[in-house]
Amino acid sequence: SQWGEENLQALSIQEGEDVTMNCSYKTYTTVVQWYRQKSGKGPAQLILIRSNEREKRSGRLRATLDTSSQSSSLSITGTLATDTAVYFCATDAGTGGYKVVFGSGTRLL
Amino acid sequence: NAGVIQTPRHKVTGKGQEATLWCEPISGHSAVFWYRQTIVQGLEFLTYFRNQAPIDDSGMPKERFSAQMPNQSHSTLKIQSTQPQDSAVYLCASSSRDWGYAEQFFGPGTRLTVL
Repeated sequence: SQWGEENLQALSIQEGEDVTMNCSYKTYTTVVQWYRQKSGKGPAQLILIRSNEREKRSGRLRATLDTSSQSSSLSITGTLATDTAVYFCATDAGTGGYKVVFGSGTRLL
Repeated sequence: NAGVIQTPRHKVTGKGQEATLWCEPISGHSAVFWYRQTIVQGLEFLTYFRNQAPIDDSGMPKERFSAQMPNQSHSTLKIQSTQPQDSAVYLCASSSRDWGYAEQFFGPGTRLTVL
């Protein structure tokens, strides 16, 4: 598998709290993508972060990438009920971007 | 923009029957992708097309599965002699290009149940 095994499976938090999800990957990559999948829908890209960025923000979302430890995180500030979803980190398996290889995902309740 | 359209949303087949899943990509997108999602395996890449030509089918099971893209407005995934282990959500995605980490836009998926 491309991914490490420390990905959390589920997080249950109260609305308004901040939350951070982590993932680690085994194969070198220059890009990590974070996706969100709501019930009954396909995944939707939230943030794409490149190795030269280390941190990227989009609204209430903040992603980090540490290529030295091959890990990435996604933080959500002030969670809302509408943030309930499964969050995936993903890489491209060295294909230059066309093949998305998803981690196992974290369910945010 | 209606997004990626997948039909049917749900399909139930008996073991040994054929299933054909349809995908209409976003107009103007040149790349179309198929993924499969199960509880056990998660989200897996199956195959993709660039300008209707098959480029990478490395994720496709070698037997019983085939994908086509006869024109720029739709792609099909066909599963012959379906087996219970084929039960999954099959997702189609399209992108304006297949390089440079262009965003892939996913459809809602087709849930296939094989009895």
